[in-house]
Amino acid sequence: DAKTTQPPSMDCAEGRAANLPCNHSTISGNEYVYWYRQIHSQGPQYIIHGLKNNETNEMASLIITEDRKSSTLILPHATLRDTAVYYCIVRGGTSYDKVIFGPGTSLSVIP
Amino acid sequence: NAGVTQTPKFQVLKTGQSMTLQCAQDMNHEYMSWYRQDPGMGLRLIHYSVGAGITDQGEVPNGYNVSRSTTEDFPLRLLSAAPSQTSVYFCASGGDGLSGELFFGEGSRLTVL
Repeated sequence: DAKTTQPPSMDCAEGRAANLPCNHSTISGNEYVYWYRQIHSQGPQYIIHGLKNNETNEMASLIITEDRKSSTLILPHATLRDTAVYYCIVRGGTSYDKVIFGPGTSLSVIP
Repeated sequence: NAGVTQTPKFQVLKTGQSMTLQCAQDMNHEYMSWYRQDPGMGLRLIHYSVGAGITDQGEVPNGYNVSRSTTEDFPLRLLSAAPSQTSVYFCASGGDGLSGELFFGEGSRLTVL
C-alpha cells in the first residue's frame, strides 16, 4: 500500500497559488518525500523532493512539517498547463526498493 | 540522450497470445521498474529491478514475467494475455543514491480482446 494519502481532487484559479497537501504520518527518518505529476496520459514527471528542509526549484516549492508527517506542494502561479494528477510518494534514502504510487490528487486549474 | 524508450506504443492482442513490452534506458541507471495504469486510476507497480540479474515483484505481478540481463534493458513479458491486462504500461528508471528521481517512458497502450 502507498505510504501517503492525498485528497482525490482540487481546483485552483489560474494565476493563484495551488497548495497540494500530502499526509505521510508513518514516514521513516531516512525516507524522502517526492512529488511527481502526470499530464493527460503521459508518463509521470518529477517535480521536487525533500528530506526535512523546505525545497524550491523552478517548478514548485515543497514545505515539509517539522515532524515530517505531512507536506505541501506549492505551485506559486498556477496555469492551465498545470492541470494534472499530482502524486506524493515516500522513498527510502538508501535504495529504491518498491516505489509505490497512490491515486494522487487531480488538480484542475480553472480560467 | 533518449532517456527511457518503450516499444511498442500501441498493441492489440487476442486472449491467450503472448508478447513482450520492451524498455530501454541510456542513463546507466541500476533501478528499473514497470507500472500499469488502468483508466482513472493511479500507477500500480508490477515488477522492479535494482540491477542486472536482480528482479523482484511489485504490487500486481501475476501474469507478468521480467528479466534483467543488461543494465539498459528491462522487458516485460505477458505469457498468456487476458482482457484484465488491458492497460497502459509505463517503464521507469532511476539513478542510485539519495536524490535519484524516476524517469518514465511515454507508455505502451495494450488492448487484449
